Amino acid sequence: KAGVTQTPRYLIKTRGQQVTLSCSPISGHRSVSWYQQTPGQGLQFLFEYFSETQRNKGNFPGRFSGRQFSNSRSEMNVSTLELGDSALYLCASSLDRRNSPLHFGNGTRLTVT
Amino acid sequence: GEDVEQSLFLSVREGDSSVINCTYTDSSSTYLYWYKQEPGAGLQLLTYIFSNMDMKQDQRLTVLLNKKDKHLSLRIADTQTGDSAIYFCAEWGLSYQKVTFGTGTKLQVIP
Repeated sequence: KAGVTQTPRYLIKTRGQQVTLSCSPISGHRSVSWYQQTPGQGLQFLFEYFSETQRNKGNFPGRFSGRQFSNSRSEMNVSTLELGDSALYLCASSLDRRNSPLHFGNGTRLTVT
Repeated sequence: GEDVEQSLFLSVREGDSSVINCTYTDSSSTYLYWYKQEPGAGLQLLTYIFSNMDMKQDQRLTVLLNKKDKHLSLRIADTQTGDSAIYFCAEWGLSYQKVTFGTGTKLQVIP
């Protein structure tokens, strides 16, 4: 079974631009969560989607948004990029919301210059 | 709020046992997880334990849970150089309905 696939692996953007990251979950998984990983803040929860609806959201500004499609694939978007948005963005999928563990992709490394 | 704490660094000799500790605060935690992250990669699920269990063993890995003290540990027997990585504990709790990760423990295995 294929794992969680995140594209692209690397991105370099300029301050003020926007970016869209993509995540394809494991087949059959309906929940997708996004995390931001930085050396200073560690792993911070961004949001979770289940059945195309955002079910939970972390403490990030409105510039961070996401969506989930009917095939469970998910995208996250960051608008008006800031230098501090440079991070590894990790997507994880799980069968459902409560009783199954998260399975992570290899992440998208975003660098904002 | 939810909080998961780990020590930052652990160094062991190859062949010894490693014990990585974690404390959490959410008393509604139902599942507790251990993940491994190697450089340039995402997080790999190692094992997990349900909150009504005290112990779980999976080959070289042993997880101990003390729910009263909200303390979780991961023991790696016969530690190998390939075990060098950052290890994260995480918990899913009913209070916040999300998986919260610890700060990560960097395990260095000395040959």
